[in-house]
Amino acid sequence: AQSVTQLDSQVPVFEEAPVELRCNYSSSVSVYLFWYVQYPNQGLQLLLKYLSGSTLVKGINGFEAEFNKSQTSFHLRKPSVHISDTAEYFCAVGEYGNKLVFGAGTILRVKS
Amino acid sequence: EAGVVQSPRYKIIEKKQPVAFWCNPISGHNTLYWYLQNLGQGPELLIRYENEEAVDDSQLPKDRFSAERLKGVDSTLKIQPAELGDSAVYLCASSSGGVDNEQFFGPGTRLTVL
Repeated sequence: AQSVTQLDSQVPVFEEAPVELRCNYSSSVSVYLFWYVQYPNQGLQLLLKYLSGSTLVKGINGFEAEFNKSQTSFHLRKPSVHISDTAEYFCAVGEYGNKLVFGAGTILRVKS
Repeated sequence: EAGVVQSPRYKIIEKKQPVAFWCNPISGHNTLYWYLQNLGQGPELLIRYENEEAVDDSQLPKDRFSAERLKGVDSTLKIQPAELGDSAVYLCASSSGGVDNEQFFGPGTRLTVL
């Protein structure tokens, strides 16, 4: 069975500072990995995805993530955050055609 | 292109009452998902449709929950009767079923059961 662990429930950071949101997964088969963002009272929006190939994946809004198979991790990073990045971020693992399994989410709070 | 549409956005009901949620997926998306999102948690799949067929409903509490996707387009999720513990956000998502399995989410329906 697949599972996802997001290691931090909340991450406070000052504006223009770098940030890393951590995600570890477990799966017995090859997986696809995703990061979604959820703004208050909105649905989830895809930030980026790893399917295969380069382990460094670039997404929207300046975010990137690195797939590390040996450590079963898919951490999300941004070199300089903005107030508008304040939201909840979800890591998810999925198999082709099957459901996504989400982590519990990490709330990113950007302070001025 | 219009996104996934859900209605209502908010619903408040008394326990033991019935409630229904509606979802219209992105045009051309054959796969439709209903997720339950409890406060402080990630979404959990309730049911997945491929066209009009429910191909994964293993997490749907069938004693009180039901869903349908007639004609393989829009879908309705029903709870009867609702319980206090059903208070949550119900998300609908759709995908084209491609290899990347990217799912597009609607804004959700926030249900409060009193």
